[in-house]
Amino acid sequence: EAGVVQSPRYKIIEKKQPVAFWCNPISGHNTLYWYLQNLGQGPELLIRYENEEAVDDSQLPKDRFSAERLKGVDSTLKIQPAELGDSAVYLCASSPRGETQYFGPGTRLLVL
Amino acid sequence: AQSVTQLGSHVSVSEGALVLLRCNYSSSVPPYLFWYVQYPNQGLQLLLKYTSAATLVKGINGFEAEFKKSETSFHLTKPSAHMSDAAEYFCAVSDPNFGNEKLTFGTGTRLTIIP
Repeated sequence: EAGVVQSPRYKIIEKKQPVAFWCNPISGHNTLYWYLQNLGQGPELLIRYENEEAVDDSQLPKDRFSAERLKGVDSTLKIQPAELGDSAVYLCASSPRGETQYFGPGTRLLVL
Repeated sequence: AQSVTQLGSHVSVSEGALVLLRCNYSSSVPPYLFWYVQYPNQGLQLLLKYTSAATLVKGINGFEAEFKKSETSFHLTKPSAHMSDAAEYFCAVSDPNFGNEKLTFGTGTRLTIIP
């Protein structure tokens, strides 16, 4: 069974530019999570989806971050415009509802 | 609110020696507790979890952890370290009302194995 797929794996952009990350969850997993992991820190939840509905986006900085999960499968996380402080690893995870989360390898973002 | 504190951001042990990674939690309700491992350039993988059943929990790769309410601890141990155990380890806590859905992670402990 394929795991959680994320792309790109690495991204380098100039500040003020837009950037998007893509996540394909494990087949059949209703719940999808986006996490932010700063260097030397644990992951912090940005947003959680149940199917196509964002059920917890309280930690998502909505002035510059947006996310969508069309058709309740793949998801995209966008930052516009990116700031230097957004340099981090963005992790996607999925799970059957209420069950163990499975994490993807992450996208490592560097904003110059 | 819930939180976990991982004591020691870096731990080094010799190959074959005991591994002990410390985690203390703070929770207003009996918590669920988790240990995840992260290998370089990979996502997090669940090692084990405590969900109010047996207090001694056995996980993958020979790891185990014991829930001690009196000490608010959930330390991770392995009797004999292997080179392949070198990784970052994260302790996490959740409110049972939310099951596995709302995890709060610690800052991680990087484990180095000395040959």
